[in-house]
Amino acid sequence: DQQVKQNSPSLSVQEGRISILNCDYTNSMFDYFLWYKKYPAEGPTFLISISSIKDKNEDGRFTVFLNKSAKHLSLHIVPSQPGDSAVYFCAASASNTDKLIFGTGTRLQVFP
Amino acid sequence: DAGITQSPRHKVTETGTPVTLRCHQTENHRYMYWYRQDPGHGLRLIHYSYGVKDTDKGEVSDGYSVSRSKTEDFLLTLESATSSQTSVYFCAISDYSMPQHFGDGTRLSIL
Repeated sequence: DQQVKQNSPSLSVQEGRISILNCDYTNSMFDYFLWYKKYPAEGPTFLISISSIKDKNEDGRFTVFLNKSAKHLSLHIVPSQPGDSAVYFCAASASNTDKLIFGTGTRLQVFP
Repeated sequence: DAGITQSPRHKVTETGTPVTLRCHQTENHRYMYWYRQDPGHGLRLIHYSYGVKDTDKGEVSDGYSVSRSKTEDFLLTLESATSSQTSVYFCAISDYSMPQHFGDGTRLSIL
């Protein structure tokens, strides 16, 4: 039973355009959400997070949107750069636990 | 980089042998985690620790044990390795209200 789902295994975007990565969750107890980026042969790197009390959080080129009623969050990258090519993982946790539940990841490729 | 070192970085071993992976941190963080990453599954939590000698199971703990005798070290042991435990293993650390930070992983192959 996958509590956090990333239904798009891959995404290809032209440099300079917007990348939108999506994530859905099923557990209504989740109240903290994170995005991680992973390059080959490296560990995941924390990118941005959002608490359920907000519906948007922005950090430079990266913005995360949370739609609690739809149990959906998305990561927007604008403008996309070739260095953004990586696998992106969505993760979620509930406030009564320190454990993260990860999605299966989306491979983003940004081409020139 | 958060001060996390995983060792070894690569290991090939045979079915039935014991294997121990080490995670060492220099951040003095309270929480430490072991995950495995497999195609189609993302990262799945094996075990975690919330302090010295305090550990608990994650979602895929069968066949694994852990120990944390010092704040800085978290060991993951496969008592008798099986081919299904071939994976990439990641250690992560965190502290209060902080996101988890990951090491660079150990690629384990069990033949």
